[in-house]
Amino acid sequence: EIVMTQSPATLSVSPGERATLSCRASQSVSSNLAWYQQKPGQAPRLLIYGASIRATGIPARFSGSGSGTEFTLTISILQSEDFAVYYCQQYNNWPPSITFGQGTRLEIK
Amino acid sequence: EVQLVESGGGLVQPGGSLRLSCAASGFTFSSYWMHWVRQAPGKGLVWVSRINSDGSSTSYADSVKGRFTISRDNAKNTLYLQMNSLRAEDTAVYYCARDSVWFSNYYYYYYMDVWGKGTTVTVSS
Repeated sequence: EIVMTQSPATLSVSPGERATLSCRASQSVSSNLAWYQQKPGQAPRLLIYGASIRATGIPARFSGSGSGTEFTLTISILQSEDFAVYYCQQYNNWPPSITFGQGTRLEIK
Repeated sequence: EVQLVESGGGLVQPGGSLRLSCAASGFTFSSYWMHWVRQAPGKGLVWVSRINSDGSSTSYADSVKGRFTISRDNAKNTLYLQMNSLRAEDTAVYYCARDSVWFSNYYYYYYMDVWGKGTTVTVSS
């Protein structure tokens, strides 16, 4: 099983600043990496797929980068609504292998 | 509006059974693969199961293989998860999610682009 490890577990950043979240895969997943945002009591929301492609309706302040085993989600200018938990996910179609990272909690500093 | 709405959760005793449903609307349900993903209280997301568009191919996480069965009724635009031999560790919010794919540079990239709000399953005596 491919293990996804996110760091840090918790990130404290002030509104208006930049946040950088990391995700590492235990083996190469090429660019088959997605990022999701989850707020308390809500379902996850797709932010990024293909490691760097913003999903429909996602603001440009969200950007993804990386390939292979190292990935980054950057939020350029934090807004109040961005404070949430962020998950990375690898998804290999066959044989099916779908795993999430343990999440990074982005909190207000 | 594209929407997924789960139902069927509740309190069940260990060893019991439950069937979850996910009603889809706003898109051509029969064209999409679908997933179940769960989240234990205070924990992260864990993939549970996947089914292809016509229901002929299914996959499961090792933790539920042999106990859970995913299925779908495309005429009713509904996805199901039959859960048997439930354990305390199956306690979670269960989400259904739509599978999507992006093709670029001779490669397919897979992700889950639409999620329901979830239904809560509690396994306890």
